[in-house]
Amino acid sequence: KQEVTQIPAALSVPEGENLVLNCSFTDSAIYNLQWFRQDPGKGLTSLLLIQSSQREQTSGRLNASLDKSSGRSTLYIAASQPGDSATYLCAVSSGYGGSQGNLIFGKGTKLSVKP
Amino acid sequence: NAGVTQTPKFRILKIGQSMTLQCAQDMNHNYMYWYRQDPGMGLKLIYYSVGAGITDKGEVPNGYNVSRSTTEDFPLRLELAAPSQTSVYFCASSTDPTDTQYFGPGTRLTVL
Repeated sequence: KQEVTQIPAALSVPEGENLVLNCSFTDSAIYNLQWFRQDPGKGLTSLLLIQSSQREQTSGRLNASLDKSSGRSTLYIAASQPGDSATYLCAVSSGYGGSQGNLIFGKGTKLSVKP
Repeated sequence: NAGVTQTPKFRILKIGQSMTLQCAQDMNHNYMYWYRQDPGMGLKLIYYSVGAGITDKGEVPNGYNVSRSTTEDFPLRLELAAPSQTSVYFCASSTDPTDTQYFGPGTRLTVL
């Protein structure tokens, strides 16, 4: 059964630091991996999607990498800002229940960027 | 485009009551999903649909039912509410199963 783990559970950094969030998964047979952002009391916002054939994706100050063989992904945030404070969720699609769209989520990393 | 919308935003139910959580999307997506998120936990898939008239169970379907009569709407029904169903419910949609999923703002449900 696919399981997704995110480390650390919480992270506090001063503004301007570069930081890395980690995600690991137990079954390397995935279709894609997605990183989401969740603000308190709000829904999820998609940040980056990496297909299984890709190694990384970039969007602005965000860079996500994928190493399927080791079951790991990292989300790199450059020059962090207070507005980056949120919970970051990692999710993988591994075809659970017969559909490629069924995502398995980690519990998230709660990021706090202090001015 | 409004994207994915959900109603209501908040609801308190008594044990044994029933209700329907509404979800609609205006992006003409074939795939739609219902997840629940318990405090401190990741989201878990309840049901999903690959198109109008086609639905299937996810990881935690017990106590819930769904229907998909149109491309736009994907309601989730709770028949006999139980305290274990206290959670935040999210609806999502995508063009195809390998594409980005777009989430609604969620419905916070409390069962007392």
